[in-house]
Amino acid sequence: AQKITQTQPGMFVQEKEAVTLDCTYDTSDPSYGLFWYKQPSSGEMIFLIYQGSYDQQNATEGRYSLNFQKARKSANLVISASQLGDSAMYFCAMRDILTGGGNKLTFGTGTQLKVEL
Amino acid sequence: DTEVTQTPKHLVMGMTNKKSLKCEQHMGHRAMYWYKQKAKKPPELMFVYSYEKLSINESVPSRFSPECPNSSLLNLHLHALQPEDSALYLCASSQETGSANEKLFFGSGTQLSVL
Repeated sequence: AQKITQTQPGMFVQEKEAVTLDCTYDTSDPSYGLFWYKQPSSGEMIFLIYQGSYDQQNATEGRYSLNFQKARKSANLVISASQLGDSAMYFCAMRDILTGGGNKLTFGTGTQLKVEL
Repeated sequence: DTEVTQTPKHLVMGMTNKKSLKCEQHMGHRAMYWYKQKAKKPPELMFVYSYEKLSINESVPSRFSPECPNSSLLNLHLHALQPEDSALYLCASSQETGSANEKLFFGSGTQLSVL
């Protein structure tokens, strides 16, 4: 069974600073995908970044980058130059392809990030 | 159009009521999902539809009844709910190409309160 662990229930960061949100995972599958989603107070889950287990390079998407350490089974999200609008809940998730069709995302418990002036 | 639209945004219902949640996407996605999210918890998968067929039911009680009338629409029919069913119900969709980086697109959810 897949398991995602986020050990930081809450984080604070100053505006314009960088912040790292931790995520570790456990799976016996040799091929897997890891996702980060952002959930502001409005409720919508917003896709941020994806890392495949066979990807040679760490993923980057604008101010978001993923520090992927396969041997340690960690996929930490780095947000550079934090903005007030980054204040939200952040979820790490792992994808499981379903034999009957569709994908199952298993989410970690989330990290509530607050960006301060 | 990269949106998943959910209606209503808020719903209050009694335990004897029957109501429905609606979800719509026009991205040509062939997989659609219902997730349930309690406050300060991660979303939990309830149902998956792939090509309009129910692919997964995560042992959800029968008082929740999903329906996928066509590839763009997904409904969740509610009947005889309990107060503990109060939660944010999120709909999502994905392309169903089988590619490794396929991501789910989520709606803003329906905040349900059962009295």
